[in-house]
Amino acid sequence: GNSVTQMEGPVTLSEEAFLTINCTYTATGYPSLFWYVQYPGEGLQLLLKATKADDKGSNKGFEATYRKETTSFHLEKGSVQVSDSAVYFCALSENNDMRFGAGTRLTVKP
Amino acid sequence: GAVVSQHPSRVICKSGTSVKIECRSLDFQATTMFWYRQFPKQSLMLMATSNEGSKATYEQGVEKDKFLINHASLTLSTLTVTSAHPEDSSFYICSARRLAGDTGELFFGEGSRLTVL
Repeated sequence: GNSVTQMEGPVTLSEEAFLTINCTYTATGYPSLFWYVQYPGEGLQLLLKATKADDKGSNKGFEATYRKETTSFHLEKGSVQVSDSAVYFCALSENNDMRFGAGTRLTVKP
Repeated sequence: GAVVSQHPSRVICKSGTSVKIECRSLDFQATTMFWYRQFPKQSLMLMATSNEGSKATYEQGVEKDKFLINHASLTLSTLTVTSAHPEDSSFYICSARRLAGDTGELFFGEGSRLTVL
C-alpha cells in the first residue's frame, strides 16, 4: 500500500539556518503530495502541495519539488525563523487514500 | 478558508462508557472525511475513511465495532468510541476534503482529546 517516510526528528536549528526535512513516498501510481504544518496548540494546516512530477510547491519561504525519479518531496527553507517552530507532516493522496508521514518536530532557537 | 469543526475538544469519561465525537464541515460539503489518531510522539495514524451515505473504510488493525463511524450527511461525520478503555485515551482528529479528487487540500478539525479513566 501507499506510504510516506519522513526524517525523524526532532530537528533543532538556529535562526537563519537552512532547513531540509526529507520525505520519500511509496505509491502505485501518480499521487498528489503535500506538506502540512502543525503549530503549537493548533490544528494541521496545508503548507504547500504539488500535484504532478517536477512541480514545485512553495509558501512562506518553504519549497518542495515533486521528484518522481527519486519518489521524494523534500521540504526546504533557506533561512528559518523562530516562528517556524512546529511539527511538519509530509503526505500523499492517491485515489482518495490519504497517508501521512510520522511528522518532524522543528525547533528554531533565536 | 474552509472550516472544519470538531466537538467536543476535550472529553473525560469512565472506562466502559461510550463517547461520540462530531466533525462538521461548516462552509462546504464533504463527501469524504478522514479520522486520525495522533499519538504522543506526533505520528498521525489514519483510522478510517468516512464516505457520505456508505460504510466507512477502516484501516487494518482498527476495530470497526469499537470505533463506529457514521457519515450521515455531507457536513457531518461522527466517531463513537464504544466501551472506552484507558488505552483509547488519545487525540482524535478529523479532516475533510472540500473538492473531490486527490489534488484537493484537506481541512482539519481542532482535534478532540479523549481521556478514559
